[in-house]
This record gives sequence, structure tokens and C-alpha cells, in this order.
Amino acid sequence: LAKTTQPISMDSYEGQEVNITCSHNNIATNDYITWYQQFPSQGPRFIIQGYKTKVTNEVASLFIPADRKSSTLSLPRVSLSDTAVYYCLVVIMDSNYQLIWGAGTKLIIKP
Amino acid sequence: DGGITQSPKYLFRKEGQNVTLSCEQNLNHDAMYWYRQDPGQGLRLIYYSQIVNDFQKGDIAEGYSVSREKKESFPLTVTSAQKNPTAFYLCASSVGGGALDTQYFGPGTRLTVL
Repeated sequence: LAKTTQPISMDSYEGQEVNITCSHNNIATNDYITWYQQFPSQGPRFIIQGYKTKVTNEVASLFIPADRKSSTLSLPRVSLSDTAVYYCLVVIMDSNYQLIWGAGTKLIIKP
Repeated sequence: DGGITQSPKYLFRKEGQNVTLSCEQNLNHDAMYWYRQDPGQGLRLIYYSQIVNDFQKGDIAEGYSVSREKKESFPLTVTSAQKNPTAFYLCASSVGGGALDTQYFGPGTRLTVL
């Protein structure tokens, strides 16, 4: 069964690029990787989703190497408002419905 | 404004009492979900519904019940059978019930059982 592992916390500074890596060793061929952002006392918000190689949208990039055992969420030029918890999850495509949520990475951006 | 509303934001109940958490959406989404979040952990799926009058158990359904009588509403009842009900409860919806459909979350209800 797929399981995601991500760092508990990370620090960075305003204007820097932040990369958060997630390990998912048992990911199946058809499974997808998704990232959500959560602020305190709020529900998570979708950031990006991908299957392989690289996906980019207006807020982030997602890099997935060929072996797909890990993935990296890249946040360009972070600001203080990017301080949040970031969740990596595996979307299991072979079952009726299953999302495997990681425990989250608490990202703190300093001025 | 379109969105998902959950009420109340904070809820306190005595042990042994059933309590119902409200979730309403005006996004015209077919699918709705209930999650539980405990400190320092990811989300765990309690129940989900892909269409009105139908719902399925998630990973931790024991001690919970739901109904889906209207497309817009998906209330969750935390029963006295739930051993450790104190948690942050999140409701979400998506356009369809597909695994890849983006889920939109409400603001959550923090339940404390005394």
C-alpha cells in the first residue's frame, strides 16, 4: 500500500525558492501525486497535481523523476504568506476511491 | 459567493451525546466528503458521497453516520460509539466523484468532547 513520507518542518526566507520533497516508494503505475496547502484552522487548498516529469502552474511546479518514488513541490520566490502546512498525497487509481494523505510539512517563511 | 460552509466553527459536547456537524455547498458539485484531522496528522476519510441518496464508508467510518438527501447538504453525525471524537472535521466537495477531481474544502468544525 502506498504511503507518503515528507519532512515535518522546513524554514526559508522571503524571496527564496523552496523545494519540499515527498517519498512514495510503493506508488503504483497509475497513481497520481497531488499537493495541498493548509493554513491554520482552515481547510486544505489544492496546489498542483501530476503523474510524471514536470507540471507547472501559476503558483508552483511539481517534479516527478522517472522512477516515481519521490516528488518535489517547488515554490518560487516565497513570501511570508506562504507559511502553511503542505500535504503530499497519492491518488490511488486502482480502487474505488482512495487518497493517501501524508502527515504534512510545516513551512515557515522568515522575513 | 460560491463555496462550502460548515457550522458551527467550534462545538463542545459532553461525552455520550450524539452531535451533528453541518456541511452545505452551493457549487453544484456532485460529490461530497468528510474528513477527520488530528494534530500533526494528515486527513483521514470518514465518508464520501458521489451522488444524492448514496454514500460509502471511508477509512474510519466506525462511530459516524451521514445522510445525503439533498445535493447541497452532507451532514455528519458523530455518535457516542466514536471512541475519541475530539478532532477537527473537514467537509469537502468536488465536481464529480473521480479520484483526480480537485476537492474544495470548507473551513472546518473543531469538535471538543468533554
